[in-house]
Parts: sequence; C-alpha cells; structure tokens
Amino acid sequence: GQSLEQPSEVTAVEGAIVQINCTYQTSGFYGLSWYQQHDGGAPTFLSYNGLDGLEETGRFSSFLSRSDSYGYLLLQELQMKDSASYFCALGAQAGTALIFGKGTTLSVSS
Amino acid sequence: EADIYQTPRYLVIGTGKKITLECSQTMGHDKMYWYQQDPGMELHLIHYSYGVNSTEKGDLSSESTVSRIRTEHFPLTLESARPSHTSQYLCASSEEGPTYGYTFGSGTRLTVV
Repeated sequence: GQSLEQPSEVTAVEGAIVQINCTYQTSGFYGLSWYQQHDGGAPTFLSYNGLDGLEETGRFSSFLSRSDSYGYLLLQELQMKDSASYFCALGAQAGTALIFGKGTTLSVSS
Repeated sequence: EADIYQTPRYLVIGTGKKITLECSQTMGHDKMYWYQQDPGMELHLIHYSYGVNSTEKGDLSSESTVSRIRTEHFPLTLESARPSHTSQYLCASSEEGPTYGYTFGSGTRLTVV
C-alpha cells in the first residue's frame, strides 16, 4: 500500500517563508501533488512534481526527491489568506487515483 | 462556465434510507473521483472512473456503488445509510495526465440520524 506523512500543524507570521514536508512510502511512484483547502471549501490544486527538483508557481514552490521519498511545499511572502490546510497527494502509478496525506494546517498571524 | 457540480449541498437523512449523491461536470473530463472527508481530516478514496462504463473501487468502496453511463455524470449511491456515513463527500474530475490536477466540487455534507 501507500502512505504519506506530513506535520499536522505549522504556524508562521505574515511575510515569512514556511516549508511543509511530506514523506511517502509506496511500491510505485508516478508523482506528488499539493492541494490547498480553506475551511469549508473544496481542495484546489497547487502543484505537481513527477521528476526530482523544484517547481515554482508564483509564491508557491514544490520540491521532490524520489531517492529520499520526500517532497515539500514552500510558501513565500506569507499572507493571511494562506491560512488553510495543505495536503500532499501521491500518484502511485498511471491509471490509479491520488492518495492524500492527513493534511497540514497552516496558521498565518499578523 | 465549465465547472463541476454536486447536489445536494447538505442532506440530513434517516438510518436505513437509500441515497444518491449527484456529481456532474461540464469540462469534458474522462476521469472522475469520489472522496470522503471528515472535518479537518484526510480525503479517503471511495470510487473512481476513467471513462464511460469504467469504475474502480477505492479503500472505502464497500458500502456504496457508482455508475458512469455518461461522461459528465458520476453519481454515488449508499444503499442503506448509517450514522457512520455522516461526513463530507467530494467529487472531482481531471484531464488526462497528472500535471493538470483534480478539480473538486463544493461537496455534499451528509448527516445520517
């Protein structure tokens, strides 16, 4: 089977940089994705990593190391609106659905 | 506007009732998914489909069924609702290829009393 581990909570202040880590265990690997979910809202897609390295999308970046079974989401120039839950999600192989981690609640204070 | 729609938004139903949660998308996506999520918790895969007449089971599939007769429609049926089914049900769809990500609907909050 597959499993993902990520911290349950992270706190930071406006303007800071925060990194949310995700480690995974899987027999096959197709890609690691990141989703954001605000309270009461639906998850929204942030980024995808299929190969090692950094993917940058505006203030958000995501990194993957397949040899370490590890990835992270980096959020820069934090804003209050970034307070949300962040999920890493594993694609074990083509033709299967994503398996989600338990999520990390990010609280941004002023 | 292309989107994914779930109805009803909220549902309170008695134990033992049969219920169908509706999900439709206008984006022409072949891939559709159902997840269950308790507040503040992870998403658990229930069922998914990669096209018409194609359905696959996830970890939580044992107490529900799905059908995919039309590309745009992917309903989820609970044959006999139980209080343990109280949760939020999220439907999603995606284009071919992992880089596009999933588009989720707003969800159905189900309460079984």
